Amino acid sequence: QAQLVQSGTEVKQPGASVKISCQASGYSFSSYSVAWARQAPGHGLEWVGWINVYNGDTKYAENLQGRVTLTADTSTSTAYLELTNVTPDATGVYFCARVGTGWFADNSYYFNMDVWGKGTTVIVPS
Amino acid sequence: QSVLTQPPSASGAPGQRVTISCSGSSSNIGTNPVNWYQLIPGTAPKLVIFRNDQRHSGVFGRFSGSKSGTSASLAISGLQSDDEADYFCAAWDDSLDGYVFGSGTTVTVL
Repeated sequence: QAQLVQSGTEVKQPGASVKISCQASGYSFSSYSVAWARQAPGHGLEWVGWINVYNGDTKYAENLQGRVTLTADTSTSTAYLELTNVTPDATGVYFCARVGTGWFADNSYYFNMDVWGKGTTVIVPS
Repeated sequence: QSVLTQPPSASGAPGQRVTISCSGSSSNIGTNPVNWYQLIPGTAPKLVIFRNDQRHSGVFGRFSGSKSGTSASLAISGLQSDDEADYFCAAWDDSLDGYVFGSGTTVTVL
């Protein structure tokens, strides 16, 4: 059974960096991509970006470009999200998810986040 | 501000049917398939519906999805207390070249 286990709560001061992990089990880690999403307090879900575990290609949400880095270690089946120079706006719950992507015959693009971790809380006090 | 628009809340008595709408544009829902996710605080989010109307494994038949043009909807029939959650629609957006979520709908069972 596919499962993603995320690291624990992080409390960071403004300007610091934080790196959270997402360890996969129960499936072939390199055969899927990993996406990240976050939920700020009182807000909805926001897509952060995703990494193609097989070749390391990444894509980030435009508003987070330059502030977030996604990596993956196939030897430990673990994906990582690093946020640099955090501000209180970074406070929220960060989720990782296994992703199946591809193109249908009608040229539509599917992006299925089908297995999720329970989330990692990041707190940046103001 | 979310790219996809949902009503903030929906509710129904046990056993009733609830429908949640999701409005987008030609660059997202109008072109690419829609997924629906269920979020219950403290638990891992779940994929409920993928490719507009396909139930993910383990999802009960009470959940159904549909899409027409630039809008989509999720229906929950035979409402149960376990269905209380936040539901988000999502689709790939070709203009933004990224995945976009709806604003989310809180479903309450009265």
